[in-house]
Amino acid sequence: QITLKESGPTLVKPTQTLTLTCTFSGFSLSTSGVGVGWIRQPPGKALEWLALIYWDDDKRYSPSLKSRLTITKDTSKNQVVLTMTNMDPVDTATYYCALSNGRFDPWGQGTLVTVSS
Amino acid sequence: DIQMTQSPSSLSASVGDRVTITCQASQDISNYLNWYQQKPGKAPKLLIYDASNLETGVPSRFSGSGSGTDFTFTISSLQPEDIATYYCQQYDNLPLAFGPGTKVDIK
Repeated sequence: QITLKESGPTLVKPTQTLTLTCTFSGFSLSTSGVGVGWIRQPPGKALEWLALIYWDDDKRYSPSLKSRLTITKDTSKNQVVLTMTNMDPVDTATYYCALSNGRFDPWGQGTLVTVSS
Repeated sequence: DIQMTQSPSSLSASVGDRVTITCQASQDISNYLNWYQQKPGKAPKLLIYDASNLETGVPSRFSGSGSGTDFTFTISSLQPEDIATYYCQQYDNLPLAFGPGTKVDIK
């Protein structure tokens, strides 16, 4: 059974850096073709893709957020970490990680991050 | 970047009705199109991949069709548990993109 779970702070202040961890089980990020992605969803709004990391350490970012995002993996810990710098209230959202091979399946439960002073 | 649009943005239908949602890509994406269901307070769930393939375990009342720029998602007989928002997503090109969603309610 494949599971993913996001963890990190629920509240960050404007200008701070957000660090989120996706801990997964049931697959290996060293297996060819496997990737893990991050997607966010502001309250009441649509889904927005943020970043992807593949088994070969290839990394892809949303162009609109590329300057603020870094995605890394720790294969031995079965974790993927997303950092987002210079957080703003508009970044308030539920952040999801998901197994990706073109499609996102399955997803983690998501973690709500609020940006407020 | 590829832009995804969906219509309608919301709909209300009766139990047993046939429901159809359309998704349009701003350029040809072949069949690299997925459909997700998101129930309130829950993470999205993959229903259809590669435009028309039903994910394992998903009821057969859900279906998808289309290729190129125009895609359709259908619920053949709406059930109360289908109340959700449905999103399309293209993966032909980066950046990956989701549609704005279609909220489905029971009349």
